[in-house]
Amino acid sequence: EIVLTQSPATLSLSPGERATLSCRASQSVSSYLAWYQQKPGQAPRLLIYGASNRATGIPARFSGSGSGTDFTLTISSLEPEDFAVYYCHQRSNWPPALTFGGGTKVEI
Amino acid sequence: QVQLVQSGAEVKKPGASVKVSCKPSGYTFTAYYIHWVRQAPGQGLEWMGWINPNSGGTNFAQKFQGRVTMTRDTSISSVYMDVSRLRSDDTAVYYCAREGLGDLLDYWGQGTLVTVSS
Repeated sequence: EIVLTQSPATLSLSPGERATLSCRASQSVSSYLAWYQQKPGQAPRLLIYGASNRATGIPARFSGSGSGTDFTLTISSLEPEDFAVYYCHQRSNWPPALTFGGGTKVEI
Repeated sequence: QVQLVQSGAEVKKPGASVKVSCKPSGYTFTAYYIHWVRQAPGQGLEWMGWINPNSGGTNFAQKFQGRVTMTRDTSISSVYMDVSRLRSDDTAVYYCAREGLGDLLDYWGQGTLVTVSS
């Protein structure tokens, strides 16, 4: 089973600053990695898929990079609405399963 | 537009069962897998399993095998998840989500809070 480890657990930043979030897989997942944003009381929202593709309607300040085992989500300049928890996610074919990272909270 | 609408909150006693429904709309029901993901209070996301609405085939995380079932009713375009032998640590918000093309969960339901308490 593939394990996804996110770091840091908490990121304390100010609006306008750059956020860099990391997700490391226990074995290669090629480019099959996605990122989600979750705000309190809401369902997760898809941000990035295929490691670097923005989902529909996602602002350009969000970008994803990486392949294999190391991935990064970058928010170039934090807006007030970006303070939330971010999860990485992958789907493996064998055994067939989905895995989420533990999450990174981006706080003011 | 694509929407997934889930059933309302439930309160159950330990040992009981709960059935949560999820009704997708805005696309061809049988064309996309539906996954169930849960989130305990203050915790992260935990994948439970998926159902293929076309065939009814399912796959579960090992942790939930034998205690969770997933079914669908194509006549009303709905999927269901049953959790049996509930324990207090099953208290969580349960989400259904559509698996889009490219190994991603592109649309989510609003979540259903299941509280297990004596």
